[in-house]
Amino acid sequence: DTGVSQDPRHKITKRGQNVTFRCDPISEHNRLYWYRQTLGQGPEFLTYFQNEAQLEKSRLLSDRFSAERPKGSFSTLEIQRTEQGDSAMYLCASSLGTGEGLTKYFGAGTRLSVL
Amino acid sequence: AQKVTQAQTEISVVEKEDVTLDCVYETRDTTYYLFWYKQPPSGELVFLIRRNSFDEQNEISGRYSWNFQKSTSSFNFTITASQVVDSAVYFCALRPLGNYKLTFGKGTLLTVNP
Repeated sequence: DTGVSQDPRHKITKRGQNVTFRCDPISEHNRLYWYRQTLGQGPEFLTYFQNEAQLEKSRLLSDRFSAERPKGSFSTLEIQRTEQGDSAMYLCASSLGTGEGLTKYFGAGTRLSVL
Repeated sequence: AQKVTQAQTEISVVEKEDVTLDCVYETRDTTYYLFWYKQPPSGELVFLIRRNSFDEQNEISGRYSWNFQKSTSSFNFTITASQVVDSAVYFCALRPLGNYKLTFGKGTLLTVNP
């Protein structure tokens, strides 16, 4: 079984541009999460999907951010009009709904640099 | 609110030394789960262990061991006979029962020198 995969691994963009990241969870996992990690900090929760439903968004997620999981499988995270403060590692994780679902498995992340 | 404190920002040891990474947490929940993750330079967070709050039994897995003490709200991680491949940032995290968010500490950068 493959783990959580994220694409791209690195993204460099100019301020004001839009960017989109993709996350493919572990195939049987129905829960998917996005976290953001800045330098020297632990990951911080951004948003959570159960199947295709987005059940919670953190206050960290401004209106410029949108996440989707259209068919309950892969997810995309889009940032519009990027700002330098958006530079961070964006991590995706997935889990099962019960039992072992207590454990989240993370991807390698997408590192975003906004110039 | 939950809080996880990893007071050690960086630790440097020589190969084969034992090293303990500290984790102290705060929560008002009576049932919760504690985790350790390893983040090597590649960036991926690798799951190491999950511990339930009602199970204070210590655990050993190869060179890794975990000491959970509810009385002091600590969940410390020891690597015995460290190896260069253990070099990474290690995160402790907390998740209350019924809450799907993980609260992470700031991590401890462990460098194992040959």
